[in-house]
Amino acid sequence: SAVISQKPSRDICQRGTSLTIQCQVDSQVTMMFWYRQQPGQSLTLIATANQGSEATYESGFVIDKFPISRPNLTFSTLTVSNMSPEDSSIYLCSVLGTYEQYFGPGTRLTVT
Amino acid sequence: AQSVTQPDIHITVSEGASLELRCNYSYGATPYLFWYVQSPGQGLQLLLKYFSGDTLVQGIKGFEAEFKRSQSSFNLRKPSVHWSDAAEYFCAVGGLEYGNKLVFGAGTILRVKS
Repeated sequence: SAVISQKPSRDICQRGTSLTIQCQVDSQVTMMFWYRQQPGQSLTLIATANQGSEATYESGFVIDKFPISRPNLTFSTLTVSNMSPEDSSIYLCSVLGTYEQYFGPGTRLTVT
Repeated sequence: AQSVTQPDIHITVSEGASLELRCNYSYGATPYLFWYVQSPGQGLQLLLKYFSGDTLVQGIKGFEAEFKRSQSSFNLRKPSVHWSDAAEYFCAVGGLEYGNKLVFGAGTILRVKS
């Protein structure tokens, strides 16, 4: 399985600002995913990020709000833009193994 | 469309007792099924997975799950629960037909009483 790290592990941000979350993997992977876990809720897929192509967003998520970069096979970033308190969540990245996904430790975001 | 139902939001079991967490799925093709565990403040750890073959799969930490196609179920079991098993458990479904994206159930919070 891959070893995945995320930065920052947590942050408290003011509304209207943006935060970029980094996801680093210790091996090259084709597919990476970004999920949101709202307080007390399950995980919801935000987008799929493949290297060399635009991210594919799920219904209810748009690129202007959650721009994603995937510059190489071991790294991706998710930006949460123009934040509001409703964006307070844990954001997790994952990578595709054979068919399973392995998750990073998550970034806990609080928007005040 | 894919969907996963975990009917039990909370379950409390005594340490040493057996455990079964329920999971039902809806999927239009051959499902890949997963159980993940999330301890407080932690990310998700893969417990076990089912792709094909033997319908009883073994995972880490003494967990097992059985795929029953006729019941669209993938229940998680453990014969003897330890206090360290207290966590939230998520069932998920995915597959090639949906680009390997995962859909998660709502989760079941397991409490272990001593």
